[in-house]
Amino acid sequence: GENVEQHPSTLSVQEGDSAVIKCTYSDSASNYFPWYKQELGKRPQLIIDIRSNVGEKKDQRIAVTLNKTAKHFSLHITETQPEDSAVYFCAASPTGSARQLTFGSGTQLTVLP
Amino acid sequence: KAGVTQTPRYLIKTRGQQVTLSCSPISGHRSVSWYQQTPGQGLQFLFEYFSETQRNKGNFPGRFSGRQFSNSRSEMNVSTLELGDSALYLCASSPGRGQLQETQYFGPGTRLLVL
Repeated sequence: GENVEQHPSTLSVQEGDSAVIKCTYSDSASNYFPWYKQELGKRPQLIIDIRSNVGEKKDQRIAVTLNKTAKHFSLHITETQPEDSAVYFCAASPTGSARQLTFGSGTQLTVLP
Repeated sequence: KAGVTQTPRYLIKTRGQQVTLSCSPISGHRSVSWYQQTPGQGLQFLFEYFSETQRNKGNFPGRFSGRQFSNSRSEMNVSTLELGDSALYLCASSPGRGQLQETQYFGPGTRLLVL
């Protein structure tokens, strides 16, 4: 089955700096890679996703890159703000299991004012 | 549209008991997936239901089961509860249309504590 590894487990940055979170996956059949943000006591919320037919996707301060050859994808947050502080999860979903996500272990991002 | 709702939000049970959790998907969504979230194991896929049929199942014992009704609402049941079943149980709904990967929208979860 799919295995997703996520690094780092914790990340502290100064407000205004950039944050990068990296994930690797094992199943070459995986073709959908969402990122979720989970604030303390709240539900996971999708912040951006990418499908395997593109290498990069951007939405304002958030971008995701995908390297299918190396089987890794990354989340980039620029101009971080204190409200970006949360746990971020990457996930992968293989073909044929459209709604079965395998999650990484999460990254606790803290943005220091 | 209203988001995904889950009931109850909090539950305390004792070992050996059973529990039923409920999930109402976003209106028009036909797929419901269930996940277990714990500090140690993270977010793990339990199962997915589509059109009242279980489509996929994660690596959990048979004590974990579920079902889906004709209105797409779903329930999951855990029998013979163990201490290790204490977790946040999240359901997620998606439209269930086509073959492309679909965004899953999560509910607020049911926090289960087993004593």
